Amino acid sequence: ELKVEQNPLFLSMQEGKNYTIYCNYSTTSDRLYWYRQDPGKSLESLFVLLSNGAVKQEGRLMASLDTKARLSTLHITAAVHDLSATYFCAMNYGGATNKLIFGTGTLLAVQP
Amino acid sequence: KAGVTQTPRYLIKTRGQQVTLSCSPISGHRSVSWYQQTPGQGLQFLFEYFSETQRNKGNFPGRFSGRQFSNSRSEMNVSTLELGDSALYLCASSLVQGGEQYFGPGTRLTVT
Repeated sequence: ELKVEQNPLFLSMQEGKNYTIYCNYSTTSDRLYWYRQDPGKSLESLFVLLSNGAVKQEGRLMASLDTKARLSTLHITAAVHDLSATYFCAMNYGGATNKLIFGTGTLLAVQP
Repeated sequence: KAGVTQTPRYLIKTRGQQVTLSCSPISGHRSVSWYQQTPGQGLQFLFEYFSETQRNKGNFPGRFSGRQFSNSRSEMNVSTLELGDSALYLCASSLVQGGEQYFGPGTRLTVT
């Protein structure tokens, strides 16, 4: 059974600092997603990672995938307050399905 | 292009009642999935529909049901509501099964 673990659960960081959120999963699957959720809001898609070694960057966020280690990372560079949100990684269950297994989420609070 | 829409956005019900939530996917999207989000259990997959057929179901009791119409719109129904059903219910649509999913704003259900 596919399990997705995310850490840390909570991350308080100062503006301008760098940090990484980790997402481990138990079995191989096709795709790994990163989503952002603001309080009381829906999920916003950030990245889709399809293959080993995939790296995608958007602004101060960079996501990577290591299928051999069953690990994805979301790296935050020079954090700003606007990045404060909860970040989720999720994997599809495999094959032609939309069933996503989500990590627990990381609440990121960027302090000025 | 309009996004995924969900109605109603907020709902308050009493234990024992039933509720129906509606989801209209992005135009042209044929796959709809539903997720439940609670502080305790996180984001959990409920079901997935494609071409009016349920393709996948999560680990939820039979009180949770859904359907999809020929225009791809979907509804989910929860009967005999319990306090633990209080959650944010998110709908997501994709062009095809296994494709990237786009989430709606959610329906916040409170059971008293």
